[in-house]
Amino acid sequence: DAKTTQPNSMESNEEEPVHLPCNHSTISGTDYIHWYRQLPSQGPEYVIHGLTSNVNNRMASLAIAEDRKSSTLILHRATLRDAAVYYCILRDHPYSGTYKYIFGTGTRLKVLA
Amino acid sequence: DGGITQSPKYLFRKEGQNVTLSCEQNLNHDAMYWYRQDPGQGLRLIYYSQIVNDFQKGDIAEGYSVSREKKESFPLTVTSAQKNPTAFYLCASSGTEAFFGQGTRLTVV
Repeated sequence: DAKTTQPNSMESNEEEPVHLPCNHSTISGTDYIHWYRQLPSQGPEYVIHGLTSNVNNRMASLAIAEDRKSSTLILHRATLRDAAVYYCILRDHPYSGTYKYIFGTGTRLKVLA
Repeated sequence: DGGITQSPKYLFRKEGQNVTLSCEQNLNHDAMYWYRQDPGQGLRLIYYSQIVNDFQKGDIAEGYSVSREKKESFPLTVTSAQKNPTAFYLCASSGTEAFFGQGTRLTVV
């Protein structure tokens, strides 16, 4: 299973942008990059995913390096509710491959008021 | 609404007893998963199933068993062989993205 590397923790001020990095140097051509976040005592929730192009949705943006060996989750204006552990995961094509989601330790984001 | 339902939210078990955690989904997903999370740690994969009547061991399957008789249901049994069962257990299903339940917190007393 391809592995991801993330910083253990990051801090941000409220209403400022946050850039959460993820390295995945062993990514294969069919791996999608997924991001999930987990609030305390809750199950993880989906944030965003992409393959090659940058992606935007109502929660965040995902910037993918041209060589796909790294990516960055961007929260445009952090709020206190964004304080969570953010996981970067590689997932094979949805309709082929192993279907496994392998979680690392993630990045704990602290948002300062 | 579509989603994943885990029950119960809290569960207490005496040492030496088996206990079954329920997981139901109405998202029509083929793939379902069970994870274990210990305090301050990430999620570790116990078992996963890609289709009815088929399932595969994850990284920490010892002491656990599962069944997948229906597409909607993927129950997890924590057996007495699991030496340290106290943990937070999460069930998920996936299509293009994964959806997680709210978890079951199991405590051995």
